[in-house]
Amino acid sequence: ELKVEQNPLFLSMQEGKNYTIYCNYSTTSDRLYWYRQDPGKSLESLFVLLSNGAVKQEGRLMASLDTKARLSTLHITAAVHDLSATYFCVKGGGADGLTFGKGTHLIIQP
Amino acid sequence: DSGVTQTPKHLITATGQRVTLRCSPRSGDLSVYWYQQSLDQGLQFLIQYYNGEERAKGNILERFSAQQFPDLHSELNLSSLELGDSALYFCASSVGRTDKNIQYFGAGTRLSVL
Repeated sequence: ELKVEQNPLFLSMQEGKNYTIYCNYSTTSDRLYWYRQDPGKSLESLFVLLSNGAVKQEGRLMASLDTKARLSTLHITAAVHDLSATYFCVKGGGADGLTFGKGTHLIIQP
Repeated sequence: DSGVTQTPKHLITATGQRVTLRCSPRSGDLSVYWYQQSLDQGLQFLIQYYNGEERAKGNILERFSAQQFPDLHSELNLSSLELGDSALYFCASSVGRTDKNIQYFGAGTRLSVL
């Protein structure tokens, strides 16, 4: 059974700090996604990572993929309050559609 | 705005009842996906349709069914509802038949079974 495990599940951090969310998955994959969800809202695609060593950056967020280690990371640089949300690591490429991690609930405090 | 429209936004019903959730995909998208989000199960893939045909099946209960119509809108039918079916149901659409393409999510339908 495919598993997608995120770490940590809850994260409270101060503005201006850096932090990394980790995502491990149990089977090989040729694509990995990161989605953001604000409370009570829908999901928004942040990054699509399609190959080993892929790195994508958007503003203060940077995502990477290491297919050999079956690991993806989402790094937050100099966090700001607007980045408070739940971030999902999502694996694609399986016969059963997308498989979501449990999500990392991120709170950024002033 | 993702361009994916889901109706209704909220639905309150009783156990044993049947409801229909509706989804209109983004213009040009041929795939529609249905997901269930609950506190205990998280986000789970239910089913995918591509251009009117069932393409992939996930953790969808037998009491649930879906279809995609010629105009590409999709409906998710939930019957013999139980308390545990209370959840947020999302529809997503994408242009291709596989999940290589980004999926755009609707705002969701919040179902409360009392």
